[in-house]
Amino acid sequence: QQKVQQSPESLIVPEGGMASLNCTSSDRNVDYFWWYRQHSGKSPKMLMSIFSNGEKEEGRFTVHLNKASLHTSLHIRDSQPSDSALYLCAASPNTGKLTFGDGTVLTVKP
Amino acid sequence: GGIITQTPKFLIGQEGQKLTLKCQQNFNHDTMYWYRQDSGKGLRLIYYSITENDLQKGDLSEGYDASREKKSSFSLTVTSAQKNEMAVFLCASSRGRNSDYTFGSGTRLLVI
Repeated sequence: QQKVQQSPESLIVPEGGMASLNCTSSDRNVDYFWWYRQHSGKSPKMLMSIFSNGEKEEGRFTVHLNKASLHTSLHIRDSQPSDSALYLCAASPNTGKLTFGDGTVLTVKP
Repeated sequence: GGIITQTPKFLIGQEGQKLTLKCQQNFNHDTMYWYRQDSGKGLRLIYYSITENDLQKGDLSEGYDASREKKSSFSLTVTSAQKNEMAVFLCASSRGRNSDYTFGSGTRLLVI
């Protein structure tokens, strides 16, 4: 049973557009969420993490978290072709061990 | 800055063969992890270790062994490679609980 569900599986947005990615955990013990980005043929790199209810913004990237529903979302504004990648959501309970979702493949069309 | 190095980068094995993948980090991180990633998919945890000589099974540990003889290194053994198996094995390390992971560049495995 997949404990971290991501949607959509794939997403195409035009250059300059907004990309919105979703992630939900089914593990009530989760207290941290992470977003990683993985370009093709490369290793995942951490983008943002969030553990408090609400919103966190870093440049073009905004992450939201609703702890009651264990739902997080990543929003990328002014999307660039270089943002095209696999976006992985991960959740960690107090053990610190990350469980990853299957990811969303984002394609930004010039 | 530190680095996490995986060797080899590519590994071609034969069905039934025992194969070992190695990972070294110089961050002085306590916790190390082995994940498997099938093409275009998410990461599944095979083994992790919170300190030297500690081993904890992940969701995908069957068919694998691991070893953490030193704090800086963590190796993974595929005990009997399965024909047509193709995946990327990613090693990661972290300071510990609620710290982000740093990943190695991966070992790409193909079994013929």
